[in-house]
Amino acid sequence: DVKVTQSSRYLVKRTGEKVFLECVQDMDHENMFWYRQDPGLGLRLIYFSYDVKMKEKGDIPEGYSVSREKKERFSLILESASTNQTSMYLCASTLGGNRYEQYFGPGTRLTVT
Amino acid sequence: QKEVEQDPGPLSVPEGAIVSLNCTYSNSAFQYFMWYRQYSRKGPELLMYTYSSGNKEDGRFTAQVDKSSKYISLFIRDSQPSDSATYLCAMSKQGAQKLVFGQGTRLTINP
Repeated sequence: DVKVTQSSRYLVKRTGEKVFLECVQDMDHENMFWYRQDPGLGLRLIYFSYDVKMKEKGDIPEGYSVSREKKERFSLILESASTNQTSMYLCASTLGGNRYEQYFGPGTRLTVT
Repeated sequence: QKEVEQDPGPLSVPEGAIVSLNCTYSNSAFQYFMWYRQYSRKGPELLMYTYSSGNKEDGRFTAQVDKSSKYISLFIRDSQPSDSATYLCAMSKQGAQKLVFGQGTRLTINP
């Protein structure tokens, strides 16, 4: 079974703090993704990575950055957290090639006060 | 117009009923289709993965793709209260690792 883990289930941070969200997958997947999910807005892609040290912007990259130093690990960074970044953050991975199904982690509920 | 349209519901049915969940899409290049189940405050879980047109069955779940109508469906037979969740459809084009998701349908199965 594919396993995608995220560093925290719940996180509370203050405005202006730097926030790190980590994601690890154990199935040697090529591609990794970060989404946020908000009521009424669905899943929105923030960034994705198709290889180590490679990244591409998704639909809403503003205010976020990412890091992929190792194949199994993909980090999302909020340089200066703001209240409008309060959301559910979901990490996902895919094998790559002709396999497109994404496997998701349990999510991190981030609250910025 | 969104590339993928999914009725957000909510949909409420009695236990044991057959449930039909649907998505329509506008991009004829989509070839890979997925259904996810998401329980409250959890990550989406992959239920079904199909390529091109046709049916795929897994236990009480059947996924159906009609590319000519640009329409996909998920059927749940003998629905159980534990099936109460939000169901998301997703699809992708050949060579595109990004998925396009529907908004999700919130389903409640009443005992």
